[in-house]
Amino acid sequence: QITLKESGPTLVKPTQTLTLTCTFSGFSLSTSGVGVGWIRQPPGKALEWLALIYWDDDKRYSPSLKSRLTITKDTSKNQVVLTMTNMDPVDTATYYCAHSTVGDWFDPWGQGTLVTVSS
Amino acid sequence: EIVMTQSPATLSVSPGERATLSCRASQSVSSNLAWYQQKPGQAPRLLIYGASTRATGIPARFSGSGSGTEFTLTISSLQSEDFAVYYCQQYNNWPTFGQGTKVEIK
Repeated sequence: QITLKESGPTLVKPTQTLTLTCTFSGFSLSTSGVGVGWIRQPPGKALEWLALIYWDDDKRYSPSLKSRLTITKDTSKNQVVLTMTNMDPVDTATYYCAHSTVGDWFDPWGQGTLVTVSS
Repeated sequence: EIVMTQSPATLSVSPGERATLSCRASQSVSSNLAWYQQKPGQAPRLLIYGASTRATGIPARFSGSGSGTEFTLTISSLQSEDFAVYYCQQYNNWPTFGQGTKVEIK
């Protein structure tokens, strides 16, 4: 059974850097074809894909946020970390991590973590 | 960026009726399309990938069709647990999601 769980701060100040960790079980990020992605959802709004990291350490970023994002993995710890710099109130959202394989669809997802950006 | 447009924004359906949701891509995504269901306070759940392949454990009343730029999710007979928001997502290029269709009780 694959499970993922996001962790990190619930409140960050504008201009700060957000660091989120996705801790997973039931699969290995060293297995060919496997990836972990990050997706966010502002309150009451639609989903927005942020970043993906693959088993071979290939990384992909949303073009609109690429300059602010960094995704890394620690295979030994079964963790993926996302950092987002220069946080703004519009970045307030629930941040999800999710497993992907073969194609870039996401299944399953973590429960999500709400991050509020406010001074 | 490939823009995904879903219609309608809200669909009012009675239990037991058929629901048909549409998703249009701004350029061809071949069959690289997924559908998700999201209930309030929950994470999205994968329903369909490859435009028409049901994910593990998804009931047969959910079906997907289409290719290129036009896609449809059909729920053949709505159950009470199906009232939710549905999102399409293309993965032909970097992933992008539609804005969602809310299926509500009529």
